[in-house]
Amino acid sequence: DAGVIQSPRHEVTEMGQEVTLRCKPISGHDYLFWYRQTMMRGLELLIYFNNNVPIDDSGMPEDRFSAKMPNASFSTLKIQPSEPRDSAVYFCASSLTGRMNTIYFGEGSWLTVV
Amino acid sequence: AQSVTQLGSHVSVSEGALVLLRCNYSSSVPPYLFWYVQYPNQGLQLLLKYTTGATLVKGINGFEAEFKKSETSFHLTKPSAHMSDAAEYVCAVTGANSKLTFGKGITLSVRP
Repeated sequence: DAGVIQSPRHEVTEMGQEVTLRCKPISGHDYLFWYRQTMMRGLELLIYFNNNVPIDDSGMPEDRFSAKMPNASFSTLKIQPSEPRDSAVYFCASSLTGRMNTIYFGEGSWLTVV
Repeated sequence: AQSVTQLGSHVSVSEGALVLLRCNYSSSVPPYLFWYVQYPNQGLQLLLKYTTGATLVKGINGFEAEFKKSETSFHLTKPSAHMSDAAEYVCAVTGANSKLTFGKGITLSVRP
């Protein structure tokens, strides 16, 4: 079975540009999570969705970040405008309902803003 | 609210030595606990998890962890380290919903 699929795997962009990260969760999973990983802070939850509805976006750093989930098989995380401090690895993950259920991660999108 | 503490950022062991990676948690509800492993340039992969039942949990690659409620701990162990175990190990806990809270992770190095 296909796992969580993220694109792009790597992106280098200039400060001020718009960045869009994409995610396809595992089919049938009803939770989708966006995480950011940095050396300083480790893994941080940015936002998560349940049945395509945003449940908790308290981790989104500021208004420059936005996330959408238009359907059960697709989500985007957008940064506009991007800044060098946004450089990080962004992970998408999905799971089934139930806090005992494993959250499955994609391989990450490695973002560098110069 | 829940939280995870992983003291230290780096552990180095010799090949064949015991691996012990510490994790302490806090949770307002009975916790579900997870250990993930992250190899360089890859995503996180589940090593093992504790939900209910037996407090000693066995995972992949010879790792195991024991849930100790009295100590609020979920330490990860492996009797004999292998070079291929070098990676980052991250402990996590779920709270009252499916929201997973991670520790900062520990980098394991294995010396020949």
